[in-house]
Amino acid sequence: AQSVAQPEDQVNVAEGNPLTVKCTYSVSGNPYLFWYVQYPNRGLQFLLKYITGDNLVKGSYGFEAEFNKSQTSFHLKKPSALVSDSALYFCAVRDDRGSTLGRLYFGRGTQLTVWP
Amino acid sequence: GAGVSQSPSNKVTEKGKDVELRCDPISGHTALYWYRQSLGQGLEFLIYFQGNSAPDKSGLPSDRFSAERTGGSVSTLTIQRTQQEDSAVYLCACPSVSGANVLTFGAGSRLTVL
Repeated sequence: AQSVAQPEDQVNVAEGNPLTVKCTYSVSGNPYLFWYVQYPNRGLQFLLKYITGDNLVKGSYGFEAEFNKSQTSFHLKKPSALVSDSALYFCAVRDDRGSTLGRLYFGRGTQLTVWP
Repeated sequence: GAGVSQSPSNKVTEKGKDVELRCDPISGHTALYWYRQSLGQGLEFLIYFQGNSAPDKSGLPSDRFSAERTGGSVSTLTIQRTQQEDSAVYLCACPSVSGANVLTFGAGSRLTVL
């Protein structure tokens, strides 16, 4: 079975500090991993993905994530948080078996708040 | 078009009424997904279309929920005899123009059942 866990419902950081949003996953095959972001009153937007290759993936708005196979984790990070990063972040996974177009499994989301 | 359009953006209905939610996807993509976003529940998969057929509809929560797709394009999600627990934002998604592994989501249809 495939699943995603985001252990923190909320993460609060001060502007300028580094931020981490945690994600662990479970898949039967090799994972395809994603982060999506949802700003207030807006739809979900793709942030970054890991399919294969370098374990450190860089995405939009200065975000990056590191794939750790042994810990089955894909934590989202940013060296210096901005107030405008405040949003709801979702981690998602699917495995590499079967159709490329198979469903994504999403975590419950983590609300990131960056205060000035 | 370049995006995924959903209508209505907001729907308020009374318990027991039927509702239809519409998704007009990115032109040319055969895959289409419906998800539901409830407060505190994250994104819950409902159904996946490949063309006009639904190889995976395992996420539909009850037989009150159904979906169809015609012409490999527009999809309609129908909820019969709505209940208060059906209140949520219903999201439609298609593979992005930048790659099949990335989804582009519509803005969603917010359903409130009174």
